[in-house]
Amino acid sequence: DVKVTQSSRYLVKRTGEKVFLECVQDMDHENMFWYRQDPGLGLRLIYFSYDVKMKEKGDIPEGYSVSREKKERFSLILESASTNQTSMYLCASSGQPGYNEQFFGPGTRLTVL
Amino acid sequence: GQQLNQSPQSMFIQEGEDVSMNCTSSSIFNTWLWYKQEPGEGPVLLIALYKAGELTSNGRLTAQFGITRKDSFLNISASIPSDVGIYFCAGQLRFHNTDKLIFGTGTRLQVFP
Repeated sequence: DVKVTQSSRYLVKRTGEKVFLECVQDMDHENMFWYRQDPGLGLRLIYFSYDVKMKEKGDIPEGYSVSREKKERFSLILESASTNQTSMYLCASSGQPGYNEQFFGPGTRLTVL
Repeated sequence: GQQLNQSPQSMFIQEGEDVSMNCTSSSIFNTWLWYKQEPGEGPVLLIALYKAGELTSNGRLTAQFGITRKDSFLNISASIPSDVGIYFCAGQLRFHNTDKLIFGTGTRLQVFP
């Protein structure tokens, strides 16, 4: 059974803190993605990676960075958390092009106070 | 960033009713996908459409890829309580060696017994 896991389901942080969100997939997938989900806005792509140490900006990368040191792990970093980064964060992975399905983790609900 | 227009934003229906939702874009896509997100979970793929005009069914779900390649719809027949969730359309773009998805804003479905 395919699996994408995220390190926390719920997280509460203070403004200015550095925040790490971790994602691990066990499907040996090349591609990994970070989205944020907000009501009425759907899922918006923050960053993605198509190989180890490779990363590409998505549609809303400002205020975020990512790290992919190992194929199975993709980390999202908020260098200095702000209240407007309060959101649901979803990680996904997919295999080679042509296999379009992205498999999602359960999400991390982050609240920044 | 690019987003897809999805409607309606929410639906409250009685069990047994049919449901219809659609998605439009200003851009052409070569693949349309429909995902469902249940409460507390990440989105899961329901149907993938690969050809303009294609009509595909998955149980009580039917989806069509518009002829113009700029729209898609999803129908659910004879709804049941477990259909509750948020439904997202997504259009696929190829970027480097990755299938990047652009998601719609979502349709929240509530089914009353």
